[in-house]
Amino acid sequence: GQQVMQIPQYQHVQEGEDFTTYCNSSTTLSNIQWYKQRPGGHPVFLIQLVKSGEVKKQKRLTFQFGEAKKNSSLHITATQTTDVGTYFCAGPPNTGNQFYFGTGTSLTVIP
Amino acid sequence: EAQVTQNPRYLITVTGKKLTVTCSQNMNHEYMSWYRQDPGLGLRQIYYSMNVEVTDKGDVPEGYKVSRKEKRNFPLILESPSPNQTSLYFCASSLFPPLPQHFGDGTRLSIL
Repeated sequence: GQQVMQIPQYQHVQEGEDFTTYCNSSTTLSNIQWYKQRPGGHPVFLIQLVKSGEVKKQKRLTFQFGEAKKNSSLHITATQTTDVGTYFCAGPPNTGNQFYFGTGTSLTVIP
Repeated sequence: EAQVTQNPRYLITVTGKKLTVTCSQNMNHEYMSWYRQDPGLGLRQIYYSMNVEVTDKGDVPEGYKVSRKEKRNFPLILESPSPNQTSLYFCASSLFPPLPQHFGDGTRLSIL
């Protein structure tokens, strides 16, 4: 079946350092979405990218969608303690209505 | 306020005792879905529904049932729970499949 893998699984950074998580799908995705889950919370939608090669920014967060629409990345510049949580990529395949989430990257920011 | 409501939030039960986790959304969304979250595996889709009376299996449907008799409700049923179904469960909804999903607060199930 379809798989969406994320690396790394865990990342500890000092506050102020940068952070990147990578997402790879075994099949082409219709779009890629990123969600953030705070400890003890539920996933919350951050952003959606639709076009091949698309790049979007939200303040310190930069999101990229690969040319083949099978991979994506999230980069956080100068992390803050408020960035703590698990980041998931997700998306529907080009055909079908199922929805696939990545394995997630748990970010810890050390003050 | 737009929301997805799940109940209960926590449940400890025993093997074989049927249970239902309710999910309700007030956004008139077409698409509803159930996920289970396990460490290292991310969120895996159990079942999803495109509309009333239309449900489909996700990646891990074994041991679960769902129904969609009304647009707003999408209960998850475990007819004979087993310990390997101990997990954190989330219900989610969106207007239609490619759009981002809104999640409930989660239900932590422990099956002994």
